[in-house]
Amino acid sequence: SQQGEEDPQALSIQEGENATMNCSYKTSINNLQWYRQNSGRGLVHLILIRSNEREKHSGRLRVTLDTSKKSSSLLITASRAADTASYFCAAYSGAGSYQLTFGKGTKLSVIP
Amino acid sequence: NAGVTQTPKFRVLKTGQSMTLLCAQDMNHEYMYWYRQDPGMGLRLIHYSVGEGTTAKGEVPDGYNVSRLKKQNFLLGLESAAPSQTSVYFCASSSGITQYFGPGTRLLVL
Repeated sequence: SQQGEEDPQALSIQEGENATMNCSYKTSINNLQWYRQNSGRGLVHLILIRSNEREKHSGRLRVTLDTSKKSSSLLITASRAADTASYFCAAYSGAGSYQLTFGKGTKLSVIP
Repeated sequence: NAGVTQTPKFRVLKTGQSMTLLCAQDMNHEYMYWYRQDPGMGLRLIHYSVGEGTTAKGEVPDGYNVSRLKKQNFLLGLESAAPSQTSVYFCASSSGITQYFGPGTRLLVL
């Protein structure tokens, strides 16, 4: 079973625009992570937000977390062609769990 | 520092054949994981290990076995491959919350 579900499934934008991806999850979490996957590659960790945080920034990335709605969003500002990738949210299945469950991902295409 | 490496990168098997996928990490991580990724799906956990000599089942363990004889290595075995096991397999390691992924092994079972 999947902990996270991303929305939209695919997103196409022009270079320089902002990209927003959303994630909804099912159970209570201690933290939520976002990963990026370039085509044909492994996943790379982008950012982690803890359950007691509402917003976190890292460079051009901004992540929000709303635990009351069980949702998170990832905003990439001033997008670049190199941001073209699939983005996944992920969370552990429960307290003390070692199982990180992933959503199906949002495929972002940034057109130069 | 190579991070997480996977061997082989690509393999074609016939139904019923067996094979072993090797994952190695040089970050001294305690935790290691095997996932599969199918089109339109996120990653699904097959098996994982929380330390040398330990293994545990994930979400989709059927048809796979694993071993963690050395801390740096995590092996995934397919005893009798089936077409449903055609997928991209990713290994990951972790010392805590964040996981570090290998480049993947693309497996085609005919």
